[in-house]
Amino acid sequence: KNQVEQSPQSLIILEGKNCTLQCNYTVSPFSNLRWYKQDTGRGPVSLTIMTFSENTKSNGRYTATLDADTKQSSLHITASQLSDSASYICVVKGAGNNRKLIWGLGTSLAVNP
Amino acid sequence: SAVISQKPSRDICQRGTSLTIQCQVDSQVTMMFWYRQQPGQSLTLIATANQGSEATYESGFVIDKFPISRPNLTFSTLTVSNMSPEDSSIYLCSTLSGTSFTDTQYFGPGTRLTVL
Repeated sequence: KNQVEQSPQSLIILEGKNCTLQCNYTVSPFSNLRWYKQDTGRGPVSLTIMTFSENTKSNGRYTATLDADTKQSSLHITASQLSDSASYICVVKGAGNNRKLIWGLGTSLAVNP
Repeated sequence: SAVISQKPSRDICQRGTSLTIQCQVDSQVTMMFWYRQQPGQSLTLIATANQGSEATYESGFVIDKFPISRPNLTFSTLTVSNMSPEDSSIYLCSTLSGTSFTDTQYFGPGTRLTVL
């Protein structure tokens, strides 16, 4: 069964600290993995898209890693800011006859001053 | 990139009524998508709407309940028909930009629907 699981479910950190969010998936065959940021009351915004051959990709203070062998990804946020408070959603796109997007439930991040 | 707007941003409706949600994209796009995000849940794809053809619905969603129009390459509507409290959700319009392999998906701000 195609699944995307994220951990932790929620996280509270202090402003300026780093954090890492995890994503495990069972989607196969695999096309790419995406991380989205969703602010409260807004639609998701794409942070990174990683294909099978990519191990790491950065977007400012956001760095995503991908291990396609173990089917794991992480999103690392450096020097967190209050504006980083949001839900971070991992999405995996299948390939071949399985080209759907499978959405994770997200990790809710709160950055406190 | 694509900028997407939705109307209304939120609404409170009575059971048994219908609501039409509008989605406007600032550029011409081939594919538009409608998603539902129920409280505490992830996004669920309702249907894919291509201009000039009938929308393709995902398992669990039917045209009678969620009729979709796609009159041109920048606009689409989703109607939530005969609403019940279980339809209370955020409805999101989305489109794609880029190659099919690593296409970037853009989302509207969503319509927050509450059914009493």
